[in-house]
Amino acid sequence: KNQVEQSPQSLIILEGKNCTLQCNYTVSPFSNLRWYKQDTGRGPVSLTIMTFSENTKSNGRYTATLDADTKQSSLHITASQLSDSASYICVVNPSGGYQKVTFGTGTKLQVIP
Amino acid sequence: GAVVSQHPSWVICKSGTSVKIECRSLDFQATTMFWYRQFPKQSLMLMATSNEGSKATYEQGVEKDKFLINHASLTLSTLTVTSAHPEDSSFYICSARGGVFGSWLFHNEQFFGPGTRLTVL
Repeated sequence: KNQVEQSPQSLIILEGKNCTLQCNYTVSPFSNLRWYKQDTGRGPVSLTIMTFSENTKSNGRYTATLDADTKQSSLHITASQLSDSASYICVVNPSGGYQKVTFGTGTKLQVIP
Repeated sequence: GAVVSQHPSWVICKSGTSVKIECRSLDFQATTMFWYRQFPKQSLMLMATSNEGSKATYEQGVEKDKFLINHASLTLSTLTVTSAHPEDSSFYICSARGGVFGSWLFHNEQFFGPGTRLTVL
């Protein structure tokens, strides 16, 4: 069964600090992995998308890494801001046509002043 | 580009009434649209997959007669919650996947709408 597990479930950090969110998956065969940011009461917004051959990708203060061998990904947030407070969802897309994506349960991040 | 809108953004209705939620891809043609439901502090749960011009495919446990999906065009899909009850109160999110004309990544990417908060009294 395809699964995507994220850790930690929730995280509180001080403004300006860095943090790293983890995503482990069992989806196979693998096509791509995306990190989304979901503000409370809003739809998810894509941060990064990584394919099998990519190891790291940055989007501003967000840097995602991917290890396709160990099936792990991380999202590193640098110099956190209050606006980073949201849920971060890891989504894995299998290959082989229009198969269903698998959503992680998300990490709830709260940045406090 | 690749913007998806939903209307309404929130709705409050009485138990027993029907509610229609619209999902539109504003600047691209979406051959496939997805409808999700999200309860508080939980992840998105796929309800159904909708392809333009054909019947929607519902996930196990989702009542197709209660959640009517119409995907009449490449830019519009609607979800109608019929005879809504308080337990249907939730956050409903749609997403759209790009059509055949576009890059590979666009072809596989799902673009999410902003969501619709449904409250049934």
